[in-house]
Amino acid sequence: GENVEQHPSTLSVQEGDSAVIKCTYSDSASNYFPWYKQELGKRPQLIIDIRSNVGEKKDQRIAVTLNKTAKHFSLHITETQPEDSAVYFCAASRNTDKLIFGTGTRLQVFP
Amino acid sequence: EAEVAQSPRYKITEKSQAVAFWCDPISGHATLYWYRQILGQGPELLVQFQDESVVDDSQLPKDRFSAERLKGVDSTLKIQPAELGDSAMYLCASTPAEGRINEQFFGPGTRLTVL
Repeated sequence: GENVEQHPSTLSVQEGDSAVIKCTYSDSASNYFPWYKQELGKRPQLIIDIRSNVGEKKDQRIAVTLNKTAKHFSLHITETQPEDSAVYFCAASRNTDKLIFGTGTRLQVFP
Repeated sequence: EAEVAQSPRYKITEKSQAVAFWCDPISGHATLYWYRQILGQGPELLVQFQDESVVDDSQLPKDRFSAERLKGVDSTLKIQPAELGDSAMYLCASTPAEGRINEQFFGPGTRLTVL
């Protein structure tokens, strides 16, 4: 079945450094790739998304890149801050089908 | 800003009891999803509705779980009987019928603990 692999499972960075999280998807028909940030006990919150007709998207300190040929997409956070600490999930879907989530990355930003 | 509503926020029950969760999507959102998130994992779909019709319930344990969205608006997810392994966060999400139809808006979730 469809699956999404996500790496690394944990990531520790110093405040101000960059963080990169990578995902690989299996369903070549996937056309929507969101990233969610989830704090402990709270709902997943959409932080950025990209559609298959776009290769890169940026929103302030956050950017996402998509390589459809390799079926890879990545989240880049620059100038990390302690409040960026959370669990980040990538996901993939086709149109309004269910989201297939990755296994999550716990990001810790140390002051 | 409109949000997906869920209740209760927390539920503690004993195994073999029945539990029910309620979700009210954002007004006008035609597609509604119930996900289950086990601690330390990503959410996984249990059931998807388009209006009042089930679109995908392939991962719903139908011997104990049921879901309905009778008027195509709010939805109820029921577990009977609850088992220890059902302890998880149950998340409801919805998507608009037009525009950004992919973007799923999540509710605050119901955290279920089965003792």
